[in-house]
Amino acid sequence: DAGITQSPRHKVTETGTPVTLRCHQTENHRYMYWYRQDPGHGLRLIHYSYGVKDTDKGEVSDGYSVSRSKTEDFLLTLESATSSQTSVYFCAIRGGVLQPQHFGDGTRLSIL
Amino acid sequence: AQSVTQPDIHITVSEGASLELRCNYSYGATPYLFWYVQSPGQGLQLLLKYFSGDTLVQGIKGFEAEFKRSQSSFNLRKPSVHWSDAAEYFCAVGTTNTTSGTYKYIFGTGTRLKVLA
Repeated sequence: DAGITQSPRHKVTETGTPVTLRCHQTENHRYMYWYRQDPGHGLRLIHYSYGVKDTDKGEVSDGYSVSRSKTEDFLLTLESATSSQTSVYFCAIRGGVLQPQHFGDGTRLSIL
Repeated sequence: AQSVTQPDIHITVSEGASLELRCNYSYGATPYLFWYVQSPGQGLQLLLKYFSGDTLVQGIKGFEAEFKRSQSSFNLRKPSVHWSDAAEYFCAVGTTNTTSGTYKYIFGTGTRLKVLA
């Protein structure tokens, strides 16, 4: 299995609080991705990174920010969490153009 | 617009029966195509991928998929389903932004497979 660790694995928090999810990889891969998974929507891309300090928005980026200060870590931040951001969040990594993405085990986030 | 459609939300088959899960894509260039499987509470595991060449690709766990350009399809098949195959299956297409050179996936909404004993 690809060396991807997501933390925390579960989190319950209140509306309006800031939340940061961490994705850590040991593969030294260039590309990292954050998705959210919701019933009936499959996986939707939030943000992705193609190098240290190089990030771009996905299709559902509103309300989220990311940072990548070193190759191995990609952080997803909800500045002020809302109930609509209750979801399961997955991190993925990829080595090169013809390489598939490999996924972490997910973080289940509940915002009350 | 680029998209992936999995028309079957749920499929139920008996153990030992054959399986075909449908996937249709919309993408202007040559697609990179993938099938992933997700068991409850787990991440996504890659079953197989198509980049080029032979249009029939073999994957793990006895799965195969056939790329049909004329039908914009990449259907997943298994000749004999096992109870452990019960899971959710996702099709994805890899897309390239020709301006930035960045690369990302578009996922279908998934098909949940139930296997009857």
